[in-house]
Amino acid sequence: GAGVSQTPSNKVTEKGKYVELRCDPISGHTALYWYRQSLGQGPEFLIYFQGTGAADDSGLPNDRFFAVRPEGSVSTLKIQRTERGDSAVYLCASSLSPGPYEQYFGPGTRLTVT
Amino acid sequence: SQKIEQNSEALNIQEGKTATLTCNYTNYSPAYLQWYRQDPGRGPVFLLLIRENEKEKRKERLKVTFDTTLKQSLFHITASQPADSATYLCALDTLDSNYQLIWGAGTKLIIKP
Repeated sequence: GAGVSQTPSNKVTEKGKYVELRCDPISGHTALYWYRQSLGQGPEFLIYFQGTGAADDSGLPNDRFFAVRPEGSVSTLKIQRTERGDSAVYLCASSLSPGPYEQYFGPGTRLTVT
Repeated sequence: SQKIEQNSEALNIQEGKTATLTCNYTNYSPAYLQWYRQDPGRGPVFLLLIRENEKEKRKERLKVTFDTTLKQSLFHITASQPADSATYLCALDTLDSNYQLIWGAGTKLIIKP
């Protein structure tokens, strides 16, 4: 079956603009995670969803970042008033359920803020 | 502060030898630990999960150990091959992290033919 997909694969935007990053998880996976990864670093947790609700959004760096998963499947990460420091690879992962289950990652969206 | 440490220097291993990667942590009470492989430009790929009450887990040429006294996990690849070259990441889920995985920075492994 299809894995986790993310669109776009690359996004270049100007400082101050708004961007949306999309994640399509594996069908049937109730848990969905967003991470941010900078060069040479491990993934940094942003938020995770259990179904439609955000179960833990403690990793969102500030109120410019917001994520939704309205139907419990596709999720969108939204970044307002982008800053150069937001440049990174944004990874999405899904798992069967929260807890001791492997996470399946998408290829990521590389965001560059100029 | 709480942190996970993986050797930031690349590990160079001759093909056919055993590669051993280290993941050390401080101030955590991990419920389980996972190892992932990441190739350039791609998302991490799950390899193994080991729980706090397990000492060792194996899968084909891979072996993971977990020592909660030393606060350390070792990841071994036996009979290493050039195709094993990648960055290997460890990640912890602690008892109080609300299913949030905490990640190390990864170690780059290079297997030379």
